[in-house]
Amino acid sequence: DQQVKQNSPSLSVQEGRISILNCDYTNSMFDYFLWYKKYPAEGPTFLISISSIKDKNEDGRFTVFLNKSAKHLSLHIVPSQPGDSAVYFCAASARLYAGKSTFGDGTTLTVKP
Amino acid sequence: DAGVIQSPRHEVTEMGQEVTLRCKPISGHNSLFWYRQTMMRGLELLIYFNNNVPIDDSGMPEDRFSAKMPNASFSTLKIQPSEPRDSAVYFCASSLDRYTEAFFGQGTRLTVV
Repeated sequence: DQQVKQNSPSLSVQEGRISILNCDYTNSMFDYFLWYKKYPAEGPTFLISISSIKDKNEDGRFTVFLNKSAKHLSLHIVPSQPGDSAVYFCAASARLYAGKSTFGDGTTLTVKP
Repeated sequence: DAGVIQSPRHEVTEMGQEVTLRCKPISGHNSLFWYRQTMMRGLELLIYFNNNVPIDDSGMPEDRFSAKMPNASFSTLKIQPSEPRDSAVYFCASSLDRYTEAFFGQGTRLTVV
């Protein structure tokens, strides 16, 4: 049973447009959610997080939205840049153990110039 | 800071051999994680240490796998004996404490032939 799902394996957008990456979770015990970005041959890099007490968190071009009732979160990147091309992982954890995360399978984002 | 340092970056070994993967966490970080990434199972947590003590090893697949953290600046993941299905990328990650996001190393790509 996959507790964190990223249903879109890939996404392609034009430079300057918005990228929206989606993630669903099933475990109600999760109360802390993270997005990581991964380039080939490198480890995942933390991007942004959100606690379940919030429904939105913003950091520059990156915004994460959380819909607890739907058990759904999304990452918005505006404007998208070619350097954003990477695999994006959604991760979920209990706040008390933020690093102990359950990861989705990732979405490969390609931003075309 | 140099980040999380893993060695070796690549390891090719024959089935039945012992394999030891090494990790140096970021100085001052109190939590350390070992993750494994495979095509079939994605990124999965193997074991989690807090203040050098193993807290959760429920992700360790079999008794062939063992992990130690003899001090705050070093951890090992050992597979003995190794099998072809252990082929994967193994990531070590550390976090400042259990409440914060993890920083990943570049990973060790293990191939067991």
